[in-house]
Amino acid sequence: KQEVTQIPAALSVPEGENLVLNCSFTDSAIYNLQWFRQDPGKGLTSLLLIQSSQREQTSGRLNASLDKSSGRSTLYIAASQPGDSATYLCAVLTGTASKLTFGTGTRLQVTL
Amino acid sequence: GAGVSQTPSNKVTEKGKYVELRCDPISGHTALYWYRQSLGQGPEFLIYFQGTGAADDSGLPNDRFFAVRPEGSVSTLKIQRTERGDSAVYLCASSIGQGLPLHFGNGTRLTVT
Repeated sequence: KQEVTQIPAALSVPEGENLVLNCSFTDSAIYNLQWFRQDPGKGLTSLLLIQSSQREQTSGRLNASLDKSSGRSTLYIAASQPGDSATYLCAVLTGTASKLTFGTGTRLQVTL
Repeated sequence: GAGVSQTPSNKVTEKGKYVELRCDPISGHTALYWYRQSLGQGPEFLIYFQGTGAADDSGLPNDRFFAVRPEGSVSTLKIQRTERGDSAVYLCASSIGQGLPLHFGNGTRLTVT
């Protein structure tokens, strides 16, 4: 059974700092890995999707890497802003490629 | 264009009652998913539709839960004899195809009293 772990559970940083969120998964036989953002009381917004054959994806200030063999992914956020404050969820697509398994998220707060 | 729409946004019901939760996916998205999210947890998979058929319902917790998508667009998640443990946010997502980025709705917060 696939298990996804995210560290840290919560993080508070001052505006402007670069930061790294970590995700690990137990079964390396994945189709892809996705990072999502969730604001309080809202649904999830897809940030980046990395196919199993890829090593990284970039979008603006976000960069996600994937090391499938070691079961790890990182989300790098450059020059953090207060608007980045949210919960960040990592999810992997495995099995019959029909279901995502999510981690419990990292709650990020960027302070002024 | 419009995103995934879920109604109602909030539902309070008494233990033992029947509820229906509706999901209107993005037009043209053939894949539709239901997830359930408890407080402080990541979403948990319930069921996946490809078109009108349930391709994977392995996440439904028991036979009180059922979902339909009769015309391959709108989907309804149905819960019979609700229990307090069913309280959670029920999220719907759609995708152009399997394995492609999911677009989530804002969810329905279900509270069973």
